Amino acid sequence: DGGITQSPKYLFRKEGQNVTLSCEQNLNHDAMYWYRQDPGQGLRLIYYSQIVNDFQKGDIAEGYSVSREKKESFPLTVTSAQKNPTAFYLCASSIVTSGDQETQYFGPGTRLLVL
Amino acid sequence: ILNVEQSPQSLHVQEGDSTNFTCSFPSSNFYALHWYRWETAKSPEALFVMTLNGDEKKKGRISATLNTKEGYSYLYIKGSQPEDSATYLCAFYGNQFYFGTGTSLTVIP
Repeated sequence: DGGITQSPKYLFRKEGQNVTLSCEQNLNHDAMYWYRQDPGQGLRLIYYSQIVNDFQKGDIAEGYSVSREKKESFPLTVTSAQKNPTAFYLCASSIVTSGDQETQYFGPGTRLLVL
Repeated sequence: ILNVEQSPQSLHVQEGDSTNFTCSFPSSNFYALHWYRWETAKSPEALFVMTLNGDEKKKGRISATLNTKEGYSYLYIKGSQPEDSATYLCAFYGNQFYFGTGTSLTVIP
């Protein structure tokens, strides 16, 4: 079955700790994305990567870091510099479909809670 | 950061009712408008991608229209069913995706 997996589903972090959220896809998509959702807000882009070994900051990249060493994987690290990390995190990948349009496919998300 | 607004925030309808929601976005630097359905405990699922002013797309009982000149899109659901209950997200695509906050639809049997 092709798709995007995120793990874990729930993650607890102590103050001052770094944590890494996993995102893996077997859809052979070139581009991958990380979004954050907070109550009452739309999905906000943290980082994205169009190809392996390259990534770009989104609107709210401060306090986060990513890597893209493999096409299938795009892990997100929430560092201790992120002052308000409690949120729902969604990973997505995309492919350019007919008509030169980019369609995103999403994982099930990880909920991060700071203790 | 670009502003994409959706209304209403939530909606409760009776089974069989038809309903519609609105997505408003800037009319400049437009490339595409996406609609997603997000059911509880599942991943968002793409419904439509719309690019041209006047575009209309349809999938079963769900359809969408696009007005890029005035910056809005409507999503219509005809004869709502309980399985239509979900949050419907729109996303403006210019140089990146900008998402609205979604419309939460509950269809009461």
